[in-house]
Amino acid sequence: KQEVTQIPAALSVPEGENLVLNCSFTDSAIYNLQWFRQDPGKGLTSLLLIQSSQREQTSGRLNASLDKSSGRSTLYIAASQPGDSATYLCAVPQGDNDMRFGAGTRLTVKP
Amino acid sequence: GAVVSQHPSWVICKSGTSVKIECRSLDFQATTMFWYRQFPKQSLMLMATSNEGSKATYEQGVEKDKFLINHASLTLSTLTVTSAHPEDSSFYICSAKAELVRGYTFGSGTRLTVV
Repeated sequence: KQEVTQIPAALSVPEGENLVLNCSFTDSAIYNLQWFRQDPGKGLTSLLLIQSSQREQTSGRLNASLDKSSGRSTLYIAASQPGDSATYLCAVPQGDNDMRFGAGTRLTVKP
Repeated sequence: GAVVSQHPSWVICKSGTSVKIECRSLDFQATTMFWYRQFPKQSLMLMATSNEGSKATYEQGVEKDKFLINHASLTLSTLTVTSAHPEDSSFYICSAKAELVRGYTFGSGTRLTVV
């Protein structure tokens, strides 16, 4: 059974800092990994989807990397802004079916 | 593309009543949809897998008679919380696997409060 762990659980940084969120998973036989953002009381917004054949994906100030062999992914956020404050979730497929989520990293960017 | 619409976004109901939550794929067909539940400050936990035209598959510990799932068409799955109790208060989110984006897309979630 796939287990997903995210570190740190919470992070508070001043505006403008670059930061890294970490995700690890136990079963490396995945075909993709997805990073989501969740604002309080809201649903999920997909940020980046990395296919197993890729090592990284970039979207604006976000960069996600994937190392399947070691079961790790990182989400890098450059020049953080208060609007980036949210919970960031990492998820990987469980076989060919549903997704398994980490507990998330709650990010606060202070003005 | 690959949008999933979920309604209602929030609902308050009395204990003992039933509540139906709808999940629609707007621009693609979803033979499989997933229902998740999220308690405060916790991550999403899969409740059940909804398959079009057949019975849903429930995760261990989820009561199928309490959480009724119907997936009558390729674009609609519904979750009905029957005889709701305060402990059923939670955030319910549906998702569908969208080949269009080769990933999973999620509804906006439903905040259920049972009083």
